[in-house]
Amino acid sequence: QKEVEQDPGPLSVPEGAIVSLNCTYSNSAFQYFMWYRQYSRKGPELLMYTYSSGNKEDGRFTAQVDKSSKYISLFIRDSQPSDSATYLCAMTISSNAGGTSYGKLTFGQGTILTVHP
Amino acid sequence: NAGVTQTPKFQVLKTGQSMTLQCAQDMNHNSMYWYRQDPGMGLRLIYYSASEGTTDKGEVPNGYNVSRLNKREFSLRLESAAPSQTSVYFCASTRDRGRAQPQHFGDGTRLSIL
Repeated sequence: QKEVEQDPGPLSVPEGAIVSLNCTYSNSAFQYFMWYRQYSRKGPELLMYTYSSGNKEDGRFTAQVDKSSKYISLFIRDSQPSDSATYLCAMTISSNAGGTSYGKLTFGQGTILTVHP
Repeated sequence: NAGVTQTPKFQVLKTGQSMTLQCAQDMNHNSMYWYRQDPGMGLRLIYYSASEGTTDKGEVPNGYNVSRLNKREFSLRLESAAPSQTSVYFCASTRDRGRAQPQHFGDGTRLSIL
């Protein structure tokens, strides 16, 4: 079983739809959670960054973390064709956990999203 | 502002050939990373360098070597390329490994091994 599981999709939605992207994880030491967006033939770029449980909003994007369920989500409101990309969740452990895993990101497989006009 | 620059962007090799992938960052970051990205596998860490002068293995280090040439540059070498190493390779950097900071990525090197 992978440490981080993400539905690869592909996901196709009409413009204006609300999109929900999700990841589950098994390592309870994960404390920092990120969402990256990757356009075709480009490197991942950071979209959202959250620490521990709760919600964080940035414009049309909302990141949710539920540590009790080991589940994170990214919501995109009023989706646009320019949101078409691969979305990757990533997470890393707390500084207090230490060890060789510290500072390394563990990624989900990525979800391919297409928003059509 | 270039960020993380990777060269070359594309390369085709024959089995058994060697090659070095180059990565440079201009953000004065301390930590640098090499990943490979394969369909359905996400990004997997090959090697990383927490600071200048140190390197450590990641999840999939076999068949690769790295060199942290200076604070800016971190290279990945394939000594004897194999078809299983066909992939897209990404370099990333962070300012300080000590604060679990998000990583900044280059645009990748697409490597095909025949």
